[in-house]
Amino acid sequence: QSALTQPRSVSGSPGQSVTISCTGTSSDVGGYKYISWYQHHPGKAPKLMIYGVSNRPSGVPDRFSGSKSGNTASLTISGLQAEDEADYYCYSYAGSYTWVFGGGTKLTVL
Amino acid sequence: QVQLVESGGGVVQPGGSLRLSCAASGFTFSSCGMHWVRQAPGKGLEWVTFIQSTGGNDHSADSVKGRFTISRDISKNTLYLQMNSLRAEDTAVYYCVKDKHGDFSLDYWGQGTLVTVSS
Repeated sequence: QSALTQPRSVSGSPGQSVTISCTGTSSDVGGYKYISWYQHHPGKAPKLMIYGVSNRPSGVPDRFSGSKSGNTASLTISGLQAEDEADYYCYSYAGSYTWVFGGGTKLTVL
Repeated sequence: QVQLVESGGGVVQPGGSLRLSCAASGFTFSSCGMHWVRQAPGKGLEWVTFIQSTGGNDHSADSVKGRFTISRDISKNTLYLQMNSLRAEDTAVYYCVKDKHGDFSLDYWGQGTLVTVSS
């Protein structure tokens, strides 16, 4: 149950796009379509942004998109806005009713 | 609307026990799987444990297996986390989280309760 690998930090200017990667193994990310992404502002509850690799819950802007290739999932945020600055976590099913999070990525909007 | 309200956090000595509760409302609690997720100070999110809608066996991370037990009381719409043999590394904010049926994502989170393990 090792944490999935995410970059510790990414940054971009308002209006730009950034992509956050999430690398696992064939036993988690590569083996299932159950990949989701969460936005976490310190002191608040995390918020679901993407589920099932690429689906957005109601109310999440279409600037947020997800994809997967092999053992790596990705979250892309286009048209960066100041309020997007937060920590982002990927999360994958790992079989036998166990799950694993990524280590988290701090997004800074310059 | 969906609400998850945790309680029971506090300071406990190493080796001690604590039971967290999570009062659920706004959805059919008996039909949903539920998780506990934690975040240690300055660290990332860590999945802790899961219980299916039907109850039965719980499923836990290796870091807490044999020490933590998740359970639920359908009549009270309440989720529990019994934590035994607590260690300093269990210090964290503990979140009660609803499983989104069908895709294993986490669609509703409580605000969290802080557990501090210290002598």
